[in-house]
Amino acid sequence: DTGVSQDPRHKITKRGQNVTFRCDPISEHNRLYWYRQTLGQGPEFLTYFQNEAQLEKSRLLSDRFSAERPKGSFSTLEIQRTEQGDSAMYLCASSLEGGKSSDTQYFGPGTRLTVL
Amino acid sequence: GNSVTQMEGPVTLSEEAFLTINCTYTATGYPSLFWYVQYPGEGLQLLLKATKADDKGSNKGFEATYRKETTSFHLEKGSVQVSDSAVYFCALRGSNFGNEKLTFGTGTRLTIIP
Repeated sequence: DTGVSQDPRHKITKRGQNVTFRCDPISEHNRLYWYRQTLGQGPEFLTYFQNEAQLEKSRLLSDRFSAERPKGSFSTLEIQRTEQGDSAMYLCASSLEGGKSSDTQYFGPGTRLTVL
Repeated sequence: GNSVTQMEGPVTLSEEAFLTINCTYTATGYPSLFWYVQYPGEGLQLLLKATKADDKGSNKGFEATYRKETTSFHLEKGSVQVSDSAVYFCALRGSNFGNEKLTFGTGTRLTIIP
């Protein structure tokens, strides 16, 4: 396993700009999750996919946020019209539903977003 | 909804001291419970887990027992090392279909002094 990868690792943007992050899960994993972590807090759930279907979205996920997983492999998270309050670490995790450890999510290194 | 309450930090201990980090939870049904660790500059790593009542998860000298009667999953280690310095997160995963997201505590920063 190569693990979960995320790109970019860091992103600095100006308020009002759009940003897009990418997550590549562990290759055989069918579930993919997005979380957001602010300083001094635990990660908070944003959304998750099983294969290409988006199964749940948090109330935290405003209309400016959209996530896709078009082929059931990698996923993108886009934030439109960024605000300073969007500054956070965005974490991606994956798991294998129906596998031996289907309840275990494996996390990527995260993308740190700073909105100026 | 589900929630996790975790012992507030930071916690500073001397090397070889005994460690306990408290974690209690609120959830319906029978959630799975986890401890994740975040070392400086690294991503979240699974430390240990327990999936049913009275299960004990263990890894790297750390242990935690799933206590349904007290809704707790306290993390313990008998003799900590400097390399254990990190932030520790308690988390739960719901047991119902459609409730598989992780709910995390706020994290406890642990610093071990030589």
